[in-house]
Amino acid sequence: DQQVKQNSPSLSVQEGRISILNCDYTNSMFDYFLWYKKYPAEGPTFLISISSIKDKNEDGRFTVFLNKSAKHLSLHIVPSQPGDSAVYFCAASAPHSSGDKLTFGTGTRLAVRP
Amino acid sequence: DGGITQSPKYLFRKEGQNVTLSCEQNLNHDAMYWYRQDPGQGLRLIYYSQIVNDFQKGDIAEGYSVSREKKESFPLTVTSAQKNPTAFYLCASSTGRTGGNQPQHFGDGTRLSIL
Repeated sequence: DQQVKQNSPSLSVQEGRISILNCDYTNSMFDYFLWYKKYPAEGPTFLISISSIKDKNEDGRFTVFLNKSAKHLSLHIVPSQPGDSAVYFCAASAPHSSGDKLTFGTGTRLAVRP
Repeated sequence: DGGITQSPKYLFRKEGQNVTLSCEQNLNHDAMYWYRQDPGQGLRLIYYSQIVNDFQKGDIAEGYSVSREKKESFPLTVTSAQKNPTAFYLCASSTGRTGGNQPQHFGDGTRLSIL
């Protein structure tokens, strides 16, 4: 049962344009959502997060949007840079569940073309 | 520099052998986690520990064991009972929910292969 889904395994974007990565979830108990960036043979690096009491959180070039009614979140990267090329994972956690364990999506590989 | 150190980076296991993956953190985090990543899949939780001397099974604990004798250390043993151990193993830590919503921070992983 995949509670967090990233339906696009890959995305290719021109440098300078916007990258939009999407994530859907099914568990209505999730109240904290995160995006991680991962390079090959390295651990994931935390990018940005959002609590369910908000619908938008911005940090520099990265913005996360949360639509609770649709159980959907997205990560916008503007402008995209070649160094952004990596696999992006969304993750979610629910309160009072197994500590603050994260449930991960399967990832989207972003390629930013120069 | 605070962080999470996993060792070794690469590990080979013979059939029927137990191997132990090391994870050390100097972030003073209470909670620690072990995940497994397989190609084309997300990270799946093996075990987690919210406090010293306490740990719980995650979603795929069969064939694995852990200990949490010190706050800084959370070693994972892959036993011979784990029939498909080839994967990339990631250790993470966090302050835990008592500190409010906080992200988990990851080490650089250990790649385990079968000889």
